[in-house]
Amino acid sequence: GAVVSQHPSWVICKSGTSVKIECRSLDFQATTMFWYRQFPKQSLMLMATSNEGSKATYEQGVEKDKFLINHASLTLSTLTVTSAHPEDSSFYICSAGQGAHTEAFFGQGTRLTVV
Amino acid sequence: DAKTTQPPSMDCAEGRAANLPCNHSTISGNEYVYWYRQIHSQGPQYIIHGLKNNETNEMASLIITEDRKSSTLILPHATLRDTAVYYCIVRGNTGNQFYFGTGTSLTVIP
Repeated sequence: GAVVSQHPSWVICKSGTSVKIECRSLDFQATTMFWYRQFPKQSLMLMATSNEGSKATYEQGVEKDKFLINHASLTLSTLTVTSAHPEDSSFYICSAGQGAHTEAFFGQGTRLTVV
Repeated sequence: DAKTTQPPSMDCAEGRAANLPCNHSTISGNEYVYWYRQIHSQGPQYIIHGLKNNETNEMASLIITEDRKSSTLILPHATLRDTAVYYCIVRGNTGNQFYFGTGTSLTVIP
């Protein structure tokens, strides 16, 4: 199946700093990618839809100024957690698909710890 | 997208078939049923999806009832590596996003 890769797999940062997470579709082009967040023992929560060449669409309750999304090419979307705080510590996962009625492929996730 | 209901947890003996149910009574005609699983601290892995016909691939079988209000994922010979949280998701054709429910935590017992 298609491959979606995230980088880094884990990151530790100090409170107040910003962290960038990359999501790449390795063998297909994705005009749309998705970012999720998962807290321990909880399900995945969709944060936003990343649209190539245009603004991201954020789910209700997600701060767009805190979670900056850039989708500059058909194979790369980035999520930047700005001014990170300990409560932003979570597992961040991206996904990409190849169209309606087809499966989406998920990255391996990025474990963010803010200290 | 329609909501789904799954039992929170299930056990299955190694080597036996694991049957994971999912209720999606509000599913509409253009919505597909997808199954993913997530092993601890990894991204979700696609298993199978279908519209109304039963589907089978190398990982599992998907049985969808005739009224499409429920479905069952079948892992024919469960192994310890199948221990994971299994998510049943219903998705229409209005977008590519998936909304995850709480899933079923399957434990395969030796």
